[in-house]
Amino acid sequence: DAGVIQSPRHEVTEMGQEVTLRCKPISGHDYLFWYRQTMMRGLELLIYFNNNVPIDDSGMPEDRFSAKMPNASFSTLKIQPSEPRDSAVYFCASSFSTESSYEQYFGPGTRLTVT
Amino acid sequence: AQSVAQPEDQVNVAEGNPLTVKCTYSVSGNPYLFWYVQYPNRGLQFLLKYITGDNLVKGSYGFEAEFNKSQTSFHLKKPSALVSDSALYFCAVRSPSGTYKYIFGTGTRLKVLA
Repeated sequence: DAGVIQSPRHEVTEMGQEVTLRCKPISGHDYLFWYRQTMMRGLELLIYFNNNVPIDDSGMPEDRFSAKMPNASFSTLKIQPSEPRDSAVYFCASSFSTESSYEQYFGPGTRLTVT
Repeated sequence: AQSVAQPEDQVNVAEGNPLTVKCTYSVSGNPYLFWYVQYPNRGLQFLLKYITGDNLVKGSYGFEAEFNKSQTSFHLKKPSALVSDSALYFCAVRSPSGTYKYIFGTGTRLKVLA
């Protein structure tokens, strides 16, 4: 299995531009999570989906952030408009909800720099 | 409310010595507990978990952790540290009921000195 795939790996954009981050979870996993990691705030959960349905988006910082999961193999996190304080590493993770599982598998992350 | 505490920002240990990375938690009910490791410019990698059963769980790369319910702790241990173990370690907790949300600690940077 290729693991969780994220693209792009690096994104540099100017303030005010729209940014779209992409994630392909591990096949068969029914949960998908988006996290943001910064030095100041550590690892923050932004939103998670179960069977493509958003369950908890209480961590989404502002209306500028939106996430979708149109099917079981693809999710996007969009920031519009982007701001310098959005600069961070964004991780996607997936998991399978069985009694013997529950652990999350993380992608390599997207390093976003907003100038 | 669920919470996880990793009281040490950094742990230094000499190669070959035992290492311990501390984690305490607060959650209603019996917790699901996890340890992850993050190497530079990489995503988090799962190391081990406690769901139920034996309080001592073994994981990848020779790591183990002991669940202590009375002390609400889940410390990560390894009998003999390697330089290659140097990384950022995260403890995480999830309540078995209700939300599927995981709470991650702030991370502990482990440095193994040759």
